[in-house]
Amino acid sequence: AQSVTQPDIHITVSEGASLELRCNYSYGATPYLFWYVQSPGQGLQLLLKYFSGDTLVQGIKGFEAEFKRSQSSFNLRKPSVHWSDAAEYFCAVGLKTSYDKVIFGPGTSLSVIP
Amino acid sequence: DSGVTQTPKHLITATGQRVTLRCSPRSGDLSVYWYQQSLDQGLQFLIQYYNGEERAKGNILERFSAQQFPDLHSELNLSSLELGDSALYFCASSAGLNTEAFFGQGTRLTVV
Repeated sequence: AQSVTQPDIHITVSEGASLELRCNYSYGATPYLFWYVQSPGQGLQLLLKYFSGDTLVQGIKGFEAEFKRSQSSFNLRKPSVHWSDAAEYFCAVGLKTSYDKVIFGPGTSLSVIP
Repeated sequence: DSGVTQTPKHLITATGQRVTLRCSPRSGDLSVYWYQQSLDQGLQFLIQYYNGEERAKGNILERFSAQQFPDLHSELNLSSLELGDSALYFCASSAGLNTEAFFGQGTRLTVV
C-alpha cells in the first residue's frame, strides 16, 4: 500500500541551528514528492517539490530536500533555522500532481527556541 | 496569501446540525479540492470538482456532500453532525487537473 511516514512527531531546535525533517514513503513507482508547511492559523504552503532530475531540490524560505531512491526518503533540510520557521511540516507523495491522489504524511511539528 | 478564500474561519455547532462551508478558488482555477484535517486521521482528501463536475471522491462520508457552482466557487455541506466531525476543513484550488494546488486557510469546525 502507498504510504508516507514522518518518524518525528515533534522536533525542537535552537534558533540558528540546522534542521533535518525525515520523510519516508512506500510507493509502487518513483512518485512526485512534496513538502508543505502549515503555520498556525494558516493553510498549507508548498515549500518545494521533486518530479525528476537533480535529486537535490531547492525551495522557498531557504529549505532544500534530497530525494534518495535507495532509501525511499525525501528529507527536508535547512542550514540555519529562524524563529518564524516554527510550524507543522508535511511530506506528501503522489503519482503525479493530481491532488486527489496525493497522500500526506502525519506531519512533524517544529518548535524553535531562542 | 494563496488567493483561495474560505468562509467562515471558525464554526461551532451542535450535534445533529447541518453546516455549509464555502470556498472561493483562485481566479481562473477550475479545480477545487476539499480535505479534512483531524488529529487522528491527518489530512484526508474528501472530494474534487473540476469546472462544475465531480471529478474524484475520497474518504467522504455519505452525510457530506459538495458542489461547484457556475462561478466556480464550491460549497461543502456537512449534515447530521457528530462530535467526530470536528476538524479543520481545507479547500484547495488548481488551474487544471494536474497542476499545483493552492490551499486556503481552512475552516475550523467544532461540533459540541
